[in-house]
Amino acid sequence: NAGVTQTPKFRVLKTGQSMTLLCAQDMNHEYMYWYRQDPGMGLRLIHYSVGEGTTAKGEVPDGYNVSRLKKQNFLLGLESAAPSQTSVYFCASRRQNIEPLHFGNGTRLTVT
Amino acid sequence: GEDVEQSLFLSVREGDSSVINCTYTDSSSTYLYWYKQEPGAGLQLLTYIFSNMDMKQDQRLTVLLNKKDKHLSLRIADTQTGDSAIYFCAESKENSGYALNFGKGTSLLVTP
Repeated sequence: NAGVTQTPKFRVLKTGQSMTLLCAQDMNHEYMYWYRQDPGMGLRLIHYSVGEGTTAKGEVPDGYNVSRLKKQNFLLGLESAAPSQTSVYFCASRRQNIEPLHFGNGTRLTVT
Repeated sequence: GEDVEQSLFLSVREGDSSVINCTYTDSSSTYLYWYKQEPGAGLQLLTYIFSNMDMKQDQRLTVLLNKKDKHLSLRIADTQTGDSAIYFCAESKENSGYALNFGKGTSLLVTP
């Protein structure tokens, strides 16, 4: 039982490049979330999903897209990376909406 | 959006008690949560409290909830150097798929 797994752990991109961050959970959780963490800003919600095939915008969705084609996976895409997207990205999941979130270990992304 | 407020820094001596305070915004939040983040790691759930409770104790951790004032606190008894980390309080937001809305975190430094 791996919990929430994020890949890759680290990535450096040049401005304008694209990439996809993968979040996988093996706990059969319905709800999945993408956050970004920046110094002095805490964690901010980018996008979320309340079940397979559903996605919705969070607090800071601009410049990101997501997909939840399979229940266990939640993908975060950057179509054209910008330096402002340099951050640590965390994925989280939960079984029901009143349960605590289970977090992955994060992806550290640098955009130059 | 509205902010969950926490003090940014706290320094205590080893063996003393630490108290981290938080003011949250959403009175409809069913649960309130405390997470711990060590350097370079993800967020680890410490404890959480149901909104109709005033207090919850779990070994060295005591959570107090004042629902009228929307005030949450985390007390760590007999603080150890291994408790040095960032502590986040979080509320649940119904209008964002019950995503957790985090404070900016309190950085706890425990000195020998």
